Amino acid sequence: ETGVTQTPRHLVMGMTNKKSLKCEQHLGHNAMYWYKQSAKKPLELMFVYNFKEQTENNSVPSRFSPECPNSSHLFLHLHTLQPEDSALYLCASSQGTGAYEQYFGPGTRLTVT
Amino acid sequence: DAKTTQPPSMDCAEGRAANLPCNHSTISGNEYVYWYRQIHSQGPQYIIHGLKNNETNEMASLIITEDRKSSTLILPHATLRDTAVYYCIAGRNTNAGKSTFGDGTTLTVKP
Repeated sequence: ETGVTQTPRHLVMGMTNKKSLKCEQHLGHNAMYWYKQSAKKPLELMFVYNFKEQTENNSVPSRFSPECPNSSHLFLHLHTLQPEDSALYLCASSQGTGAYEQYFGPGTRLTVT
Repeated sequence: DAKTTQPPSMDCAEGRAANLPCNHSTISGNEYVYWYRQIHSQGPQYIIHGLKNNETNEMASLIITEDRKSSTLILPHATLRDTAVYYCIAGRNTNAGKSTFGDGTTLTVKP
């Protein structure tokens, strides 16, 4: 595998379900990010991790819970989501948080029913 | 991050150069100009970035004005696969606590 991978690519879940999104980067980067992209809206930065430590939580509701066990892996745990949380969730990585050269994964298309 | 302004949409004929403008009049001296693009339903792709000097790579050229208040991304020979939303970002630190990607320019390359 190369670059940034995300699984699953598509996910349909009910509002009472618990699911997790996984991101893995094979670039040796130290910073990882979660973004949300809703239909016809700009990308919204959700969380930033640098060397496994969360450095940014952009006022994200607690039903989204990130986890970064090491610099290569990032998870987004989902529980009791709402239909308006349906969106494309993108993971990205970069060498550090001072650099904007981010590499994005293909995203997980989430539908909450 | 400095605010950027881009036209919402542009068309370009296949094989011709596509010139995408971006205004960033409030950019500070230590902020870079970055360009990304997003092809429909895929993750954004990094294209190029620069600070003061013009830059060129295998994908595009970046022309930054001397006062750094605006820049132009040039795709020298646009193809149909270049149809995408192009984002111009001016910034230095990703810990900005706010969205760094605006609405971008939707470039449509036509045969």
